[in-house]
Amino acid sequence: GAVVSQHPSWVICKSGTSVKIECRSLDFQATTMFWYRQFPKQSLMLMATSNEGSKATYEQGVEKDKFLINHASLTLSTLTVTSAHPEDSSFYICSANRQGNFYEQYFGPGTRLTVT
Amino acid sequence: ELKVEQNPLFLSMQEEKNYTIYCNYSTTSDRLYWYRQDPGKSLESLFVLLSNGAVKQEGRLMASLDTKARLSTLHITAAVHDLSATYFCAVISTSGTYKYIFGTGTRLKVLA
Repeated sequence: GAVVSQHPSWVICKSGTSVKIECRSLDFQATTMFWYRQFPKQSLMLMATSNEGSKATYEQGVEKDKFLINHASLTLSTLTVTSAHPEDSSFYICSANRQGNFYEQYFGPGTRLTVT
Repeated sequence: ELKVEQNPLFLSMQEEKNYTIYCNYSTTSDRLYWYRQDPGKSLESLFVLLSNGAVKQEGRLMASLDTKARLSTLHITAAVHDLSATYFCAVISTSGTYKYIFGTGTRLKVLA
């Protein structure tokens, strides 16, 4: 149990376009979902925390208008990178907490975004 | 602000040798996590350490936690090539919203 999926697993887009990444908890309801970004050979950096039905909480330095997060249900959160630029190219990983259990985070497989 | 540091950042080791990775964190935390990441992949959970003095072992890896020193160690015994990966520790920040703070990561390369 506790499987988190992401779609797509990789995506290539042109500079200036938008791309949406989905994060789903497949076999549990997720109260909270987290979005991380990881540049090559670096650690995971938390971008935002999203709770179902409410606005996401963004970390300092993360542009809210550029990285749109929607958490429409207890099993789905989406991250939309708007007006993508090459510097947005990165590995994006989501994670989710099982409802009622904050301490365990289950990580998705990640999405590799390349902006050309 | 909670900071989590690991050392070394990079470790190249011979097979069958023993080594330790250190994880220091700057403020108190409820628990500490260790993860493994293979290139191009997401995180694989290794250990969750819940209290001071906690020790957990799985195969050639053993993790321990000293909450007073704010230090966790990941000890590798008789390393094998399959252990080559990047290892991250993480703690929970309870300041404001609960969230994971990841360490800088240790890239481990085991040479055959």
